[in-house]
Amino acid sequence: NAGVMQNPRHLVRRRGQEARLRCSPMKGHSHVYWYRQLPEEGLKFMVYLQKENIIDESGMPKERFSAEFPKEGPSILRIQQVVRGDSAAYFCASSRGDGYTFGSGTRLTVV
Amino acid sequence: DQQVKQNSPSLSVQEGRISILNCDYTNSMFDYFLWYKKYPAEGPTFLISISSIKDKNEDGRFTVFLNKSAKHLSLHIVPSQPGDSAVYFCAARKEYGNKLVFGAGTILRVKS
Repeated sequence: NAGVMQNPRHLVRRRGQEARLRCSPMKGHSHVYWYRQLPEEGLKFMVYLQKENIIDESGMPKERFSAEFPKEGPSILRIQQVVRGDSAAYFCASSRGDGYTFGSGTRLTVV
Repeated sequence: DQQVKQNSPSLSVQEGRISILNCDYTNSMFDYFLWYKKYPAEGPTFLISISSIKDKNEDGRFTVFLNKSAKHLSLHIVPSQPGDSAVYFCAARKEYGNKLVFGAGTILRVKS
């Protein structure tokens, strides 16, 4: 049973481009969470999704960021028109309702 | 607004001795607390947790203590091993909540 799979592991984007981060939850897990870790900081909650529904997006920036978890396929965190301040490690976690399992993260670098 | 604080950015301990990592929180609505361990280039892995109805939880070499009146918890690792060297994050969750609020982490170095 594979763990939470995130890809790519590393992503480099120029300012103004779009970044797409993918997360495949553990088998049987229908809850997905996205967290962001800026340098020297802890993980900050961004969004919580269940299949096809956004449950809590209170941590998402109001503009340029969106997330989805379609019926089929991985969850996608999409960042449009990236800026240098978006450079961070983005972690996805999944659960069946309790107890998180985190993926290894995607490190986004905006140049 | 930092609701979960880990005031020690780093801690260095000799192998075999006790490591004590501290965490303070400000939100009295938190009722469940977790510790995660993180190695470089990996995601956080769950270590141990404690509910607010308890003041201690033990799992092998790891013990978490909760002092609700002081809004303080600590993780004790004894004996410390070089493989314990990692970043340790304290996290908290509200009752019926799903999202976790993390501290900034403490880098633990265990010297052999």
